[in-house]
Amino acid sequence: QSALTQPASVSGSPGQSITISCTGTSSDVGSYNLVSWYQQHPGKAPKLMIYEVNKRPSGVSNRFSGSKSGNTASLTISGLQAEDEADYHCCSYAGSRTWVFGGGTKLTVL
Amino acid sequence: QVQLVQSGAEVKQPGASVKVSCKASGYTFTTYTIHWVRQAPGQRLEWMGWINADNGNTKYSQKFQGRVTFTRDTSASTAYMELSSLRSEDTAVYYCARASCSSTTCYAGFDYWGQGTLVTVSS
Repeated sequence: QSALTQPASVSGSPGQSITISCTGTSSDVGSYNLVSWYQQHPGKAPKLMIYEVNKRPSGVSNRFSGSKSGNTASLTISGLQAEDEADYHCCSYAGSRTWVFGGGTKLTVL
Repeated sequence: QVQLVQSGAEVKQPGASVKVSCKASGYTFTTYTIHWVRQAPGQRLEWMGWINADNGNTKYSQKFQGRVTFTRDTSASTAYMELSSLRSEDTAVYYCARASCSSTTCYAGFDYWGQGTLVTVSS
């Protein structure tokens, strides 16, 4: 079970939009609408930002949105703010009651 | 409010075992599955497996099969992760996380996380 592929880093200026990709295979991302995204600040536990590809938990800003096409899921953050600077991890259900995470992406707000 | 509170940091010698606890509060413990995830320093999150808090059924990632054991104590609303035959590569922060349930599935992700437990393996 290989990790999902994410870019190591992305950056953007305040107010801009950025998109982080998460590429898997037809056995995980491509087969299930069960991709989730997590925000992790240094030294903190991950926080659920998106579940089931494009759903936001209560309390998460609508600046965060998710989508999927084929074997690739994406997280878009619009109206970038300084507090969005963090690591972002994608995760997908991979069948047989197993899950797989991505490599993580460091977002820098310039 | 939902909380998962984990036990404190551990330092272990290679070959030893470690047992990390995860105490749940703010919800009915037996209603949700607990997952375990680890993160080595500067590395990605790595899914280790889950335990059904109701019936105790478990599923382990192939990578850890045979070396990890999940248990739970429903009377204490606590889940446990025990990892044996520790090696330096097991140095990591270990997290417990509650399975997120939507209206259609409980495979939606992980909605609440413990604060993490640092396990250091060193001679």
